[in-house]
Amino acid sequence: GAVVSQHPSRVICKSGTSVKIECRSLDFQATTMFWYRQFPKQSLMLMATSNEGSKATYEQGVEKDKFLINHASLTLSTLTVTSAHPEDSSFYICSASGKRNEQFFGPGTRLTVL
Amino acid sequence: GESVGLHLPTLSVQEGDNSIINCAYSNSASDYFIWYKQESGKGPQFIIDIRSNMDKRQGQRVTVLLNKTVKHLSLQIAATQPGDSAVYFCAEIVSGSARQLTFGSGTQLTVLP
Repeated sequence: GAVVSQHPSRVICKSGTSVKIECRSLDFQATTMFWYRQFPKQSLMLMATSNEGSKATYEQGVEKDKFLINHASLTLSTLTVTSAHPEDSSFYICSASGKRNEQFFGPGTRLTVL
Repeated sequence: GESVGLHLPTLSVQEGDNSIINCAYSNSASDYFIWYKQESGKGPQFIIDIRSNMDKRQGQRVTVLLNKTVKHLSLQIAATQPGDSAVYFCAEIVSGSARQLTFGSGTQLTVLP
């Protein structure tokens, strides 16, 4: 299957700082990328859907000014957690989708906010 | 919304036995279903999918059954191996939803030696 990478895999930051997470599709063009958040022992919750070259669509309850998403190319989407707080600590996972329904998931990024 | 405070359902099986993991979905407009495997600290890994016009699909050691009447999906793993230990999620896509996946709550499968 297609390969999706995320960087960094782990990040620890101080409260109030911003963190950027990158999601790349390595061997295909991703017209749509999705960002999920997963708390321990819980399921994946969709945060937002982004299409290349347009603004992201956020799910209800997800603050667009706090979780900035940029999908500037067909192979790269970024999620920036602004003014991070301890409650933002979570496992953030992206997925990328090409022409078909199938989504390919990245390995996830563990964010810890102190 | 989030299932705050709930623990994952668990299933323990002996190595070599068959495993059956169940999932209920609620949206009758869902027309595509996928099973994912997630190992600790990793992203979900595609296992098998099925469209709503089918009721059974087989892969290598895995079979997915879909019962649209009762909105139930199951994943059968034959001859379960230690490497199958993981959390398994079902996910659905609602027709016309821009390919957005809605994940079920997940089941922790533990394979006993």
